[in-house]
Amino acid sequence: DVKVTQSSRYLVKRTGEKVFLECVQDMDHENMFWYRQDPGLGLRLIYFSYDVKMKEKGDIPEGYSVSREKKERFSLILESASTNQTSMYLCASRLGGGRVNQPQHFGDGTRLSIL
Amino acid sequence: AQTVTQSQPEMSVQEAETVTLSCTYDTSENNYYLFWYKQPPSRQMILVIRQEAYKQQNATENRFSVNFQKAAKSFSLKISDSQLGDTAMYFCAFELMNTGFQKLVFGTGTRLLVSP
Repeated sequence: DVKVTQSSRYLVKRTGEKVFLECVQDMDHENMFWYRQDPGLGLRLIYFSYDVKMKEKGDIPEGYSVSREKKERFSLILESASTNQTSMYLCASRLGGGRVNQPQHFGDGTRLSIL
Repeated sequence: AQTVTQSQPEMSVQEAETVTLSCTYDTSENNYYLFWYKQPPSRQMILVIRQEAYKQQNATENRFSVNFQKAAKSFSLKISDSQLGDTAMYFCAFELMNTGFQKLVFGTGTRLLVSP
């Protein structure tokens, strides 16, 4: 089975802090994703990565950046955390490399609170 | 741009009964995939069922089946013989069929409560 591991289930940080959310997958997937999940809004794509060192903005990239130095790891960075970034963050991965429309596999999520 | 609408924020059903979750979508494209994902409380989101738009036959996975009406742009999920473990948030999602990169577009979700 595919395993997508997010480093923290719960995280509390302060306004203005730089926050790192880590995600690791163990199936050599090319594509990786960061979503934000808010009640009534569903899942919204923040950033995605086709492959190592590649990244693309999703629908709501403002206030976030990402890093993908190794294929298995995709990090989401909140440069200067603000209270409106309090949310559930989900990481996902899937096969890419030209394979069409493969299903995404999700991590357990990180519930981030910014005080 | 594609949109996905789930008009039922919450639903409830009793164990062993059947429940149907609604989903509509909007696209001008002809080739795409539709998905239902399940997110149990405090647990990982998992894929429940997938439908290719070019297939007329509705997808089924054990107790889960879909009613795909392409002309109406409707994609409902039927859960038969509901079990307590079906309690979860259910998301409908859409993805264009393409060899290039495509992203999932999610609905806002339906919270399903299965009671004894």
